Amino acid sequence: AQKVTQAQTEISVVEKEDVTLDCVYETRDTTYYLFWYKQPPSGELVFLIRRNSFDEQNEISGRYSWNFQKSTSSFNFTITASQVVDSAVYFCALSEDRGGADGLTFGKGTHLIIQP
Amino acid sequence: DTAVSQTPKYLVTQMGNDKSIKCEQNLGHDTMYWYKQDSKKFLKIMFSYNNKELIINETVPNRFSPKSPDKAHLNLHINSLELGDSAVYFCASSQGTSGGGDIQYFGAGTRLSVL
Repeated sequence: AQKVTQAQTEISVVEKEDVTLDCVYETRDTTYYLFWYKQPPSGELVFLIRRNSFDEQNEISGRYSWNFQKSTSSFNFTITASQVVDSAVYFCALSEDRGGADGLTFGKGTHLIIQP
Repeated sequence: DTAVSQTPKYLVTQMGNDKSIKCEQNLGHDTMYWYKQDSKKFLKIMFSYNNKELIINETVPNRFSPKSPDKAHLNLHINSLELGDSAVYFCASSQGTSGGGDIQYFGAGTRLSVL
């Protein structure tokens, strides 16, 4: 069965610090997809990134970067020069390739607090 | 224009009542989902529909019944509400064409409080 573990329940840093959110996943499939979503205090779920299991290239988008390592089954998320607006709960999620309409398996989320 | 919209945003009701949550997407997607987020923020899939056909039905009490009148709508009806049903319910949609890797776009959520 698939599983996503986000061991960090809560992280608090001061603005402008770099912070890394960890995500470890378990799956028996060779084809799978990994996602990160952001849930700000307003409550909506915002898609950040998707990665498939065959693409281990790291990705950078502005202050956000993602490090995917199949060898350690990890898909970590780093925010560089954090800002107060980054304060949110961040979820890592996994889906397997079952032909569509697959639900996402979410981790329990990491509550990130950026202090001014 | 909101891509995935849910109504109502807040729902407060008494135990034993029946209630519905509506969801509509204007993205032209084939697949829609319902997720439940509990008080500890844990998100879990409840149902998924592809072109009005039920695909996933996780271990959810029979009191929960999804209904999809067309592929742009997926409503959630809950009978005989219990205290434990209090949660935030999210609707989502995805294209439904590229296997399990479709990006799912979420509605703003409906916060259900059962008293």
